[in-house]
Amino acid sequence: RKEVEQDPGPFNVPEGATVAFNCTYSNSASQSFFWYRQDCRKEPKLLMSVYSSGNEDGRFTAQLNRASQYISLLIRDSKLSDSATYLCVVNLGGAYNFNKFYFGSGTKLNVKP
Amino acid sequence: ETGVTQSPTHLIKTRGQQVTLRCSSQSGHNTVSWYQQALGQGPQFIFQYYREEENGRGNFPPRFSGLQFPNYSSELNVNALELDDSALYLCASSGFFGQGTRLTVV
Repeated sequence: RKEVEQDPGPFNVPEGATVAFNCTYSNSASQSFFWYRQDCRKEPKLLMSVYSSGNEDGRFTAQLNRASQYISLLIRDSKLSDSATYLCVVNLGGAYNFNKFYFGSGTKLNVKP
Repeated sequence: ETGVTQSPTHLIKTRGQQVTLRCSSQSGHNTVSWYQQALGQGPQFIFQYYREEENGRGNFPPRFSGLQFPNYSSELNVNALELDDSALYLCASSGFFGQGTRLTVV
């Protein structure tokens, strides 16, 4: 079983739409959670951390449900520039695991004019 | 700028050869991790170095090895290259990734 599971998509949405991505993780000891964005043939870039209380950064809202081991990302008012692959990432945490990330396979988003 | 730089950006090698990939990070980033990203997949953890010692390893064979130096730079070495080693190799420090090295094995 994969550590992190995501729907690969693609999600094809018009500009201005609201779109939601979900992922599940298998290790209940996971301590920290992130969404990364990856453009074609580029490195992953941190989009936002995910907290149990839910957090928002502009048009982006992330949510964590520890009981269900489920992470979500909501994008409102989609822009053409949001087209990318969104990677769900979990980390076991601790000083010796800070950079030991488990990635989902990514969900591809295509925003159309 | 993430402060993490990798070289080279692209590389073509023949099956059976050895390759060394390099990563440098800003001072203070004393932990570095390496990832392999095959086409259409998320990055897979190879190993992590903390203060010049390997500190955690993913499901990769011993022919994948690494080094970290006192100046926080790091190397990933892969021996006896196989076709399936073709991938984007990423190093990460403090949550930031370098731009990656795209390795093609022919």
